[in-house]
Amino acid sequence: AQSVAQPEDQVNVAEGNPLTVKCTYSVSGNPYLFWYVQYPNRGLQFLLKYITGDNLVKGSYGFEAEFNKSQTSFHLKKPSALVSDSALYFCAVRGRGGDYKLSFGAGTTVTVRA
Amino acid sequence: DTAVSQTPKYLVTQMGNDKSIKCEQNLGHDTMYWYKQDSKKFLKIMFSYNNKELIINETVPNRFSPKSPDKAHLNLHINSLELGDSAVYFCASSQSWGGTDTQYFGPGTRLTVL
Repeated sequence: AQSVAQPEDQVNVAEGNPLTVKCTYSVSGNPYLFWYVQYPNRGLQFLLKYITGDNLVKGSYGFEAEFNKSQTSFHLKKPSALVSDSALYFCAVRGRGGDYKLSFGAGTTVTVRA
Repeated sequence: DTAVSQTPKYLVTQMGNDKSIKCEQNLGHDTMYWYKQDSKKFLKIMFSYNNKELIINETVPNRFSPKSPDKAHLNLHINSLELGDSAVYFCASSQSWGGTDTQYFGPGTRLTVL
């Protein structure tokens, strides 16, 4: 069975500081990995995904994520956080073995203070 | 030019009632999904249709019945509503059932059962 762990319920950073949201996964074989963001009372917005190739993936709004196969991690990063980045972030994994269900982590609430 | 839309946005109803939520996507996608987000923000897939064919049917009470009249629409009908059905329900779509395809989410329907 595939699963995702987001070890931090909350991340608090000051505006202008680097932001990291952690994600580790468990899946048979190589994974497809996704990051989504949910603003209050809104649907999920796609940020980026890792399919294959370069381990560093760049996405929307200045976010990037690094795939690390040995550590089974896919941490989301932003070099300089903005107050408007305050939201709920979800990591998700999908296996390649035919079970294409997307499994989400529990989410990490990011608060960026001015 | 909304990509994935849902109606209604809010639904407040009494226990025992029957209600429907509608979803439409104008992205030309073949695959559509229903997710449930509980009060702890945990997201779980309920159903998926690919080209109007049911391909995912998670362990969901049979009071929940999806219907896909065409590729652009996926509705969710819920019979005999219970307090535990209170949640936010998200519709999503993707180009195909392939593992690399990004899922795009609607704005959600907040269901409150009294």
